[in-house]
Amino acid sequence: DGGITQSPKYLFRKEGQNVTLSCEQNLNHDAMYWYRQDPGQGLRLIYYSQIVNDFQKGDIAEGYSVSREKKESFPLTVTSAQKNPTAFYLCASSPGGFLEQYFGPGTRLTVT
Amino acid sequence: AQKITQTQPGMFVQEKEAVTLDCTYDTSDQSYGLFWYKQPSSGEMIFLIYQGSYDEQNATEGRYSLNFQKARKSANLVISASQLGDSAMYFCAMRELETGANSKLTFGKGITLSVRP
Repeated sequence: DGGITQSPKYLFRKEGQNVTLSCEQNLNHDAMYWYRQDPGQGLRLIYYSQIVNDFQKGDIAEGYSVSREKKESFPLTVTSAQKNPTAFYLCASSPGGFLEQYFGPGTRLTVT
Repeated sequence: AQKITQTQPGMFVQEKEAVTLDCTYDTSDQSYGLFWYKQPSSGEMIFLIYQGSYDEQNATEGRYSLNFQKARKSANLVISASQLGDSAMYFCAMRELETGANSKLTFGKGITLSVRP
């Protein structure tokens, strides 16, 4: 089945630790995106990538880093510099243009 | 200014009735796309419907239709014959044309819809 997978679904970390969230897609999409969602809020764009080995900062990139070494994979690292990392993280991909984005099931990160 | 505005408080609808979820947007671009997504309590985002700024007809997808009023910059989602499974958060989003083919999506804050049996 084609789709986007994110793992794990729930992630717990201690403050001060970096953590990497996985996002893989087998839809052959060029573009991939990372969003953050806080309770009762919409999605805010963290980073996006239009092509392998290239990515751009979104609206709230501080404290996050990404890589895009393969078309299928776009991991997100939440660094210790991110002041409020506890949130729901959603990965998406898109074939491009004005076409819709397809979302993964999300990872709920809790940092204590 | 917010690009996507969803100001309705939690919405309630009786099963089998129709409901309209409001969305207004702000852009100076001539070319843009408008999207609606559904987010059930499980958290996944499910694409519902798309309307392009140059589309003359309102988009429809099954029980979903988009009431697109370009001059008023509104893109309201109409759900007909509501079902219990329609209970979820609904997000309106806009994609403006930027350099490159893969422009960003801007989301509203969402509306909670509860369907009563």
